[in-house]
Amino acid sequence: EVQLVESGGGLVKPGGSLRLSCAASGFTFSSYSMNWVRQAPGEGLEWVSSIHSSSSYIYYADSMKGRFTISRDNAKNSLYLQMNSLRAEDTAVYYCTRGISGDYYDFDYWGQGTLVTVSS
Amino acid sequence: QSVLTQPPSTSGTPGQRVTISCSGSSSNIGSNTVNWYQQLPGTAPKLVIYSNSQRPSGVPDRFSGSKSGTSASLAISGLQSEDEADYHCAAWDDSLNGWVFGGGTKLTVL
Repeated sequence: EVQLVESGGGLVKPGGSLRLSCAASGFTFSSYSMNWVRQAPGEGLEWVSSIHSSSSYIYYADSMKGRFTISRDNAKNSLYLQMNSLRAEDTAVYYCTRGISGDYYDFDYWGQGTLVTVSS
Repeated sequence: QSVLTQPPSTSGTPGQRVTISCSGSSSNIGSNTVNWYQQLPGTAPKLVIYSNSQRPSGVPDRFSGSKSGTSASLAISGLQSEDEADYHCAAWDDSLNGWVFGGGTKLTVL
């Protein structure tokens, strides 16, 4: 069974940093692309970032470029999101999602999400 | 606002067929496939349609998807109370070089 478990969320002040982690199990992690998608309270879904199975290709939404860094450790079956210079508008539930294959990023499985709150 | 356009809400009675539309442009729906996600209250989204019209295993055949030009639709037939949820469409956008979503449609089963 595919499982994605996020951790690392919490309350952080504007301008602060946070590192999210996603522990994957139930599939061959190194064979799949991975993504982060977020959802602000009461709002729709917003794509954050995607990473190829081999880390060869990385994509970011424009509003996250230069502030967020996605990475993965295939040996540890883990996905990460380093978030710097956080703003109030970054407050959201952050979901770790699996891509449908190594080369395609369509989100097929989702974790339960971790809440990030940016507030003074 | 969202790059893809969905109606904010729709409703139907048990047994009815409802459709949810998703409108985009040539850079997203017009040139890439569309996926649909169901989000039950307080839970994470779940993939119900991928590649415009394909159903993942375990998704009832009451759910179907279609695409024409720069628009896509999700249809749910034989509506059940358990279908009450938010539905989101998504597609890759070649101009933005990233994924775009619709704003979500809240389906109420009356």
